[in-house]
Amino acid sequence: EDQVTQSPEALRLQEGESSSLNCSYTVSGLRGLFWYRQDPGKGPEFLFTLYSAGEEKEKERLKATLTKKESFLHITAPKPEDSATYLCAVQALGRGGADGLTFGKGTHLIIQP
Amino acid sequence: DAGVIQSPRHEVTEMGQEVTLRCKPISGHDYLFWYRQTMMRGLELLIYFNNNVPIDDSGMPEDRFSAKMPNASFSTLKIQPSEPRDSAVYFCASGRDRNSPLHFGNGTRLTVT
Repeated sequence: EDQVTQSPEALRLQEGESSSLNCSYTVSGLRGLFWYRQDPGKGPEFLFTLYSAGEEKEKERLKATLTKKESFLHITAPKPEDSATYLCAVQALGRGGADGLTFGKGTHLIIQP
Repeated sequence: DAGVIQSPRHEVTEMGQEVTLRCKPISGHDYLFWYRQTMMRGLELLIYFNNNVPIDDSGMPEDRFSAKMPNASFSTLKIQPSEPRDSAVYFCASGRDRNSPLHFGNGTRLTVT
């Protein structure tokens, strides 16, 4: 069974204070690892897809990295508007043809001005 | 592009009543997914469709839940009869193909009293 564990559950940072969010995963074969951002009352919004160990993706103050067992979402000099819940998800290869994502429970990030 | 559209945004009903949630995916997307989100369990995949055909419904909790996709632009998730433990936010998401990221609607918050 595919499993995704995110840590910490919640993180409070001061504006400008850089940090990293962790996503550990167990999957029989990884098709892709996805990062999403979710704001209160909204659906998850796609950020990145990573496909192989060593791959990195960047968008503004966010950088996602991938190893064979975990992914990190690095947040550099965050601003209050970066406050959100960040979700990690894995998509497995050939699970009876299933294409759905298995999500972690997320990290609730608060950036204080 | 209007994105994935879900209705209603909020639904409050009494135990035993039938509930129907609706979704309009993004035009041209071949995949449609129904997810349920709770604090305890996070986002869980219920069922997904490819080209209007149900592919995997192993996440549907029990026979009280059913989903249909009569055409490429409309899907429903029905709960009959509803129970208090069904209270959650239900998300619909669509994807262009099996390797594309999912686009989520803003969800339906269901409360069963």
